[in-house]
Amino acid sequence: ETGVTQTPRHLVMGMTNKKSLKCEQHLGHNAMYWYKQSAKKPLELMFVYSLEERVENNSVPSRFSPECPNSSHLFLHLHTLQPEDSALYLCASSPTPGPYNEQFFGPGTRLTVL
Amino acid sequence: EDQVTQSPEALRLQEGESSSLNCSYTVSGLRGLFWYRQDPGKGPEFLFTLYSAGEEKEKERLKATLTKKESFLHITAPKPEDSATYLCAVQAGTQGGSEKLVFGKGTKLTVNP
Repeated sequence: ETGVTQTPRHLVMGMTNKKSLKCEQHLGHNAMYWYKQSAKKPLELMFVYSLEERVENNSVPSRFSPECPNSSHLFLHLHTLQPEDSALYLCASSPTPGPYNEQFFGPGTRLTVL
Repeated sequence: EDQVTQSPEALRLQEGESSSLNCSYTVSGLRGLFWYRQDPGKGPEFLFTLYSAGEEKEKERLKATLTKKESFLHITAPKPEDSATYLCAVQAGTQGGSEKLVFGKGTKLTVNP
């Protein structure tokens, strides 16, 4: 595997379910990100991790819970979601969270909440 | 508040018909302006980073330029495989924490054969 991978690619869940999204980066980077991409809206940053420590939480509802066990893996735990949470969830990584760093994205998980 | 506006929202070109996409921004302390390409159902693919006004970068049929208020992505003699949504993002200086990317809504480019 190369670059940034995400699983699953597609997920359908009910409002009472609990599920997790997984992201893995094979680039040796130290920063990882979760973004939400909804139709007709810009990408929205959700969380930033640097060396497994959360450095930014962009006012995301508590029904989204991130976890970063090491610098290569990032999870997004989902529970009691709402239909408006349906979107493409993208993971990205960069060498550091600081400036002048390109972010490299995974293919995304298409989430549908029924 | 940092803002990024991309225009047009959608653009249809004939193969070989050159054009430009615009990204205008208002940020406090630009650290970098990034262009990405996104194909349907996929994550954004990094294209260019520009750091200062006057800078230009090229890759195949694409050329990105930067001024103090906007960036252009010029597409010369496009081919159907250039069809995609092109995203612009800026990274601004912040007090503490990470310098996050602020994205525009994108320009959806369609190149007809």
